[in-house]
Amino acid sequence: SQQGEEDPQALSIQEGENATMNCSYKTSINNLQWYRQNSGRGLVHLILIRSNEREKHSGRLRVTLDTSKKSSSLLITASRAADTASYFCATQSGNTPLVFGKGTRLSVIA
Amino acid sequence: NAGVMQNPRHLVRRRGQEARLRCSPMKGHSHVYWYRQLPEEGLKFMVYLQKENIIDESGMPKERFSAEFPKEGPSILRIQQVVRGDSAAYFCASSPEATGGFEKKLFFGSGTQLSVL
Repeated sequence: SQQGEEDPQALSIQEGENATMNCSYKTSINNLQWYRQNSGRGLVHLILIRSNEREKHSGRLRVTLDTSKKSSSLLITASRAADTASYFCATQSGNTPLVFGKGTRLSVIA
Repeated sequence: NAGVMQNPRHLVRRRGQEARLRCSPMKGHSHVYWYRQLPEEGLKFMVYLQKENIIDESGMPKERFSAEFPKEGPSILRIQQVVRGDSAAYFCASSPEATGGFEKKLFFGSGTQLSVL
């Protein structure tokens, strides 16, 4: 079953702008992860945020988690053309496998 | 340090044939996961294996699909009597033993694109 739902489905921005993607989920979680997928490739892990954390940074990435609203956001600052990819959130509950959302397709125009 | 290796990258089969997809996890990883991805969709979990054991196969169809991860050699996802609806990208991921409780960070292969004619 689909746990995470990303919003928007697609996002197109100019280079240098910030990109914000949101993820909502249904059940309680241990952690939430964000992955990136370039066209025709496998997913690459970006960042993991635990259920007891509210915000996490990694380079130009900022992730927030609101467990009361069951939602997370991924912010990419000062975007580059190379950031063009699909971004997926994935949730983990207990010892179950990661459940992925449908993703947000980000296009960064130079 | 090689990443997760999947082969073949592309596989074409006619309806009714068998498809065998291979996955070698990262060195030191003992957990393997198979996911299926349809165009414009997210990844759907199929099966989770450790060496010689199937831990969770709740996402795998009961018929025609099977998976193994033998003591020696790669993990194999086998689809018998393929149908057009099996056409998809199949991704394998591996992880080490979970640390800090239940935190599974997955490392993905580049996938096998299966096309059924």
